[in-house]
Amino acid sequence: GAVVSQHPSRVICKSGTSVKIECRSLDFQATTMFWYRQFPKQSLMLMATSNEGSKATYEQGVEKDKFLINHASLTLSTLTVTSAHPEDSSFYICSAYGHGTDTQYFGPGTRLTVL
Amino acid sequence: AQKITQTQPGMFVQEKEAVTLDCTYDTSDPSYGLFWYKQPSSGEMIFLIYQGSYDQQNATEGRYSLNFQKARKSANLVISASQLGDSAMYFCAMREGSGNQFYFGTGTSLTVIP
Repeated sequence: GAVVSQHPSRVICKSGTSVKIECRSLDFQATTMFWYRQFPKQSLMLMATSNEGSKATYEQGVEKDKFLINHASLTLSTLTVTSAHPEDSSFYICSAYGHGTDTQYFGPGTRLTVL
Repeated sequence: AQKITQTQPGMFVQEKEAVTLDCTYDTSDPSYGLFWYKQPSSGEMIFLIYQGSYDQQNATEGRYSLNFQKARKSANLVISASQLGDSAMYFCAMREGSGNQFYFGTGTSLTVIP
């Protein structure tokens, strides 16, 4: 299957700081990537669809100014949590469709803790 | 209405036994795809198996098989010969037509007992 990496895997930051999470497709080009958020023992919640070379499409209720998404190349999308607060603490996962497939492949996720 | 329903929050199975994880879906689109993912405690989402709505045969991948009953709108995952490493959360998901979005169920926590 297609390989998606995510960095960092774990980050702890102080309230008010910004955190950038990178998502890379390692062996294929991904024109579209997805960012999800997952609370403990819950399902994945789609936050936004990241489109290469254009603006991301955010789901209802997701603040686009708080969760900045940039998809600068066919292999890299970044999610920046701006002015993070403790309630932003969560598990963030990115995904992309494998080349020529209908299957989304996921990165290993980033566990964000805001103190 | 929920697009994907998983009614079993938790399941237990004896090692080496088979287990079925339930998934029902709701769509009016004749073209769709159904997926199962495994999420161990590490958090990564591991793709297990895919079933297309027009596929005539039930999908199989090693010890995983998908019991696809189109008329009932169900896509149950069957894991044969359970192993301790199968203990994880399992999510059923659907993609409709040519849309990008995946709809996920609430997941089933599977525990394999030695």
